[in-house]
Amino acid sequence: DTEVTQTPKHLVMGMTNKKSLKCEQHMGHRAMYWYKQKAKKPPELMFVYSYEKLSINESVPSRFSPECPNSSLLNLHLHALQPEDSALYLCASSRRPGLAVCCGQYFGPGTRLTVL
Amino acid sequence: DAKTTQPTSMDCAEGRAANLPCNHSTISGNEYVYWYRQIHSQGPQYIIHGLKNNETNEMASLIITEDRKSSTLILPHATLRDTAVYYCIVWSLLDSNYQLIWGAGTKLIIKP
Repeated sequence: DTEVTQTPKHLVMGMTNKKSLKCEQHMGHRAMYWYKQKAKKPPELMFVYSYEKLSINESVPSRFSPECPNSSLLNLHLHALQPEDSALYLCASSRRPGLAVCCGQYFGPGTRLTVL
Repeated sequence: DAKTTQPTSMDCAEGRAANLPCNHSTISGNEYVYWYRQIHSQGPQYIIHGLKNNETNEMASLIITEDRKSSTLILPHATLRDTAVYYCIVWSLLDSNYQLIWGAGTKLIIKP
């Protein structure tokens, strides 16, 4: 199984809603990542989890709250988002953080988020 | 941090080799060059990576200049399914963790 899955595929939410994005991999990878991608732009790194611990937070606003319940799952909790947060949210994993140098990252298909 | 520069877009005829250039003149000695591609509305897909030597796999070849300041991704026989945005990325060290710094990407259009 070399797949990273993300749910839901599409999400529409209001600015007062609370929602969560989910990501799952069963490749035994110990590093997982959240990226945000706006239209016609490259992905921007948001968070990195290494061995289920948050290792990098790229100055992301607190309305985005990541969670890594175990080595296979990664969540992104959303609360009080703004319309400018509408984007494609991508999850990725790699064998280990340092080994991403040799082995690359596997990406999920993304969740298309629209904030009204 | 190392940065990458790529042409915004390129065309290539189906069946011909597609050569995608990338400049990374500020790359340091231990930084890798990665290539990913992203087909519309899908997650990015790993293609190939290298440090100093040229590399080849089932998808593509990567040619890195001797001074490592630029590289070229070669798709030997492009098909319509290769139409995508191709990202050249230099691997940078950030807070003791290596992370990918993405360039702006080249939109490659394969024409019949």
